[in-house]
Amino acid sequence: AQTIHQWPVAEIKAVGSPLSLGCTIKGKSSPNLYWYWQATGGTLQQLFYSITVGQVESVVQLNLSASRPKDDQFILSTEKLLLSHSGFYLCAWRGTGANSDYTFGSGTRLLVI
Amino acid sequence: QQKVQQSPESLIVPEGAMTSLNCTFSDSASQYFAWYRQHSGKAPKALMSIFSNGEKEEGRFTIHLNKASLHFSLHIRDSQPSDSALYLCAVSDSGTYQRFGTGTKLQVVP
Repeated sequence: AQTIHQWPVAEIKAVGSPLSLGCTIKGKSSPNLYWYWQATGGTLQQLFYSITVGQVESVVQLNLSASRPKDDQFILSTEKLLLSHSGFYLCAWRGTGANSDYTFGSGTRLLVI
Repeated sequence: QQKVQQSPESLIVPEGAMTSLNCTFSDSASQYFAWYRQHSGKAPKALMSIFSNGEKEEGRFTIHLNKASLHFSLHIRDSQPSDSALYLCAVSDSGTYQRFGTGTKLQVVP
């Protein structure tokens, strides 16, 4: 069975500090991977997607970047956090089959102060 | 750009009632239509999805898609208090981009 693990569970960071969030998928070869962000009380918004190692496409510009260093790993990062980065970050995977559903990780809650 | 809108924004129904949630989208080329349920503070979890016009039933849940009307819906039969949550609809293209609605907050009261 496929499992998706996100880390850390929660972070409190200072404005201007760096950030790195991680996501690992086990039990699935070459999944499509996605990063989403949800502001408190806000809509779930896709940030990035990746269909293969080393290839990441940006959907929304929020002064964040993403990388896929391994087939099963997806990293979200920034060198300088803004207050507006606070929220709930979710990683998701989807199989490459036409009828595949999206599966979300449990998320990372970020508070920037 | 794809627009996805949900109605109503919130809903209170008595236990045992039928609940109907609606979602409209703007891109007729969309290929994937899904409903997610999100409990407070938790990640969304996929409930049901559909890829072509028609209806699909799984237990108490039914999803209905009408591409010509740019509309799909979720119906919950015999609603339970445990169904209380935020319901999100989502529309996707070929698998690179999934856009979500703003959600319907459902409360089922005993």
